[in-house]
Amino acid sequence: QVQLVQSGAEVKKPGASVKVSCKASGYTFTSYAMHWVRQAPGQRLEWMGWINAGNGYTKYSQKFQARVTITRDTSASTAYMELSSLRSEDTAFYYCARDRESIAVAGLPGYYFDYWGQGTLVTVSS
Amino acid sequence: QLVLTQSPSASASLGASVKLTCTLSSGHSSYAIAWHQQQPEKGPRYLMKLNSDGSHSKGDGIPDRFSGSSSGAERYLTISSLQSEDEADYYCQTWGTGTYVVFGGGTKLTVL
Repeated sequence: QVQLVQSGAEVKKPGASVKVSCKASGYTFTSYAMHWVRQAPGQRLEWMGWINAGNGYTKYSQKFQARVTITRDTSASTAYMELSSLRSEDTAFYYCARDRESIAVAGLPGYYFDYWGQGTLVTVSS
Repeated sequence: QLVLTQSPSASASLGASVKLTCTLSSGHSSYAIAWHQQQPEKGPRYLMKLNSDGSHSKGDGIPDRFSGSSSGAERYLTISSLQSEDEADYYCQTWGTGTYVVFGGGTKLTVL
């Protein structure tokens, strides 16, 4: 069965960076895009960007374009999301989510998500 | 601008049915959406993709009690035979031609 297991909670100071991992299993990692979504306390879900796990192509939300980097390690079936220049407003749960459609077949993601990680809480505090 | 609007809360009794609504902004009535459920202290769970014609494709293991329908710019999620574990936040989500993703504000469902 498909599983996405994320790394544990992080506490960071303002201005620092954080890197969250998402280990995938139960499917061919390189055949699907992986998205990252965050949820700040009391806020709606917010899409950050995606990576084609096959060729490493990335696309980011304009809001996060300057501060986020999404990468992957195909040998470890793991995707990563790094967010830099952290501020208190970045305190949130961060989720990885697999795209529903096979990018290996369609060439593009479907932009909706059928499996989610359990979430990683990132707290930014001085 | 592509926006999804959901009522903040809904409630229904155990064993009853409830219909949640997600409204697409003007000019976007043909867009498909996806519904996701988020139980307390858990990550979201994909329920279904819902097209403008009402056709939908559910996620793995989603019970038949969950169904979707569409009318104009409205997208609906109906849950029948409500169970206690259906108490959760329900989010709709769509995607724009500029390859960006939008979420609704979520509806908190209380099972009485």
